[in-house]
Amino acid sequence: EADIYQTPRYLVIGTGKKITLECSQTMGHDKMYWYQQDPGMELHLIHYSYGVNSTEKGDLSSESTVSRIRTEHFPLTLESARPSHTSQYLCASSLPLGLAGGTLFFGPGTRLTVL
Amino acid sequence: AQKVTQAQTEISVVEKEDVTLDCVYETRDTTYYLFWYKQPPSGELVFLIRRNSFDEQNEISGRYSWNFQKSTSSFNFTITASQVVDSAVYFCALSEVNFGNEKLTFGTGTRLTIIP
Repeated sequence: EADIYQTPRYLVIGTGKKITLECSQTMGHDKMYWYQQDPGMELHLIHYSYGVNSTEKGDLSSESTVSRIRTEHFPLTLESARPSHTSQYLCASSLPLGLAGGTLFFGPGTRLTVL
Repeated sequence: AQKVTQAQTEISVVEKEDVTLDCVYETRDTTYYLFWYKQPPSGELVFLIRRNSFDEQNEISGRYSWNFQKSTSSFNFTITASQVVDSAVYFCALSEVNFGNEKLTFGTGTRLTIIP
């Protein structure tokens, strides 16, 4: 069973607020990812990291930013939340493809609502 | 570029019926991995299976089975004797082997509803 945690699970905030979504994993995985998903819809990769001090933008443009100062921690920040940011945010981590075939293990997600 | 197509947007079946979820993929690589994930109403994505491109053997796990056919670029998922707990959105995914830059490409998902 994967050990990857996200907090908060649910967040309702007003427009213009700065928020940070937390993601931590205890598996020692180098690779971590953030996906954005409207409920039950397609997953869009917005950020990924292949290790400490490595961050890349994903396939979907996002106004959020990420950091990777520690292997186990990959927080996502929105400087000024807007209603268009309302979505579910899923964090994931994986071993390299040579080990476990690049299987992504997902956290429970954060459901963000911006009023 | 890699692509995954799940043409079935929604499927509904009566409990105990068998159901097959289709997945067709496109890739230029000869080495790649295919995955299936389940997303129940709680929202978390649950890993079900990983298959590499050199292993075309079908796999069975309890009521679940997977049929991988390279000739048709398909990796279909069958649930036998479906149960209400199988109701979820199911995603097929593909990862090409580009060491150091591998990323998972997901299909758009199939929403499966099991009617009691």
